[in-house]
Amino acid sequence: DTGVSQDPRHKITKRGQNVTFRCDPISEHNRLYWYRQTLGQGPEFLTYFQNEAQLEKSRLLSDRFSAERPKGSFSTLEIQRTEQGDSAMYLCASRKTGIRHRGTEAFFGQGTRLTVV
Amino acid sequence: AQSVTQPDIHITVSEGASLELRCNYSYGATPYLFWYVQSPGQGLQLLLKYFSGDTLVQGIKGFEAEFKRSQSSFNLRKPSVHWSDAAEYFCAVGYSGNTGKLIFGQGTTLQVKP
Repeated sequence: DTGVSQDPRHKITKRGQNVTFRCDPISEHNRLYWYRQTLGQGPEFLTYFQNEAQLEKSRLLSDRFSAERPKGSFSTLEIQRTEQGDSAMYLCASRKTGIRHRGTEAFFGQGTRLTVV
Repeated sequence: AQSVTQPDIHITVSEGASLELRCNYSYGATPYLFWYVQSPGQGLQLLLKYFSGDTLVQGIKGFEAEFKRSQSSFNLRKPSVHWSDAAEYFCAVGYSGNTGKLIFGQGTTLQVKP
């Protein structure tokens, strides 16, 4: 168990560019979440996957955002045509689900800090 | 709508003093409740959680929290704070529908004076 891994840790991009972040969850964790955290705020839910299926998307996830989890393992979050308001920490979390794992906590990665200049 | 309120944005305590961080939630059903800690530039680490049963739960690093249904509260406590406890603390409520998504409070920044 190596924990949830996110790459890159930091990303600086110019406004209008596209960026993609990667999350590798803990192996055998079938549930994967993306959150966004702006300065001085708590994390806000963006979307989640059950294996490869994206089951819910927040209204925060505009059309410029897309997330995938193609084989039910790692996930990517892409932001197209970045705006300064996209500057934030993007956190990934994973957990196991099932009757035996009801209510188990999510484990968070260290996040990707995005700065749009 | 479900929500979590952490009334104290910033708290300063002296090393060795006791600590209580407040958390109130608004949720229609029995909630799953969590406290996470975040050091600067880092992800979130779970301190403790409540699902059911004993309303006083023990966590890591000497922290405990008490669930009070009548007050819709889940306050975090520690009897003696260490300088290494300086960080940001988040209270969160989980949906009982088992989506597992969390609603977080705004966070409380803890500063520890020597």
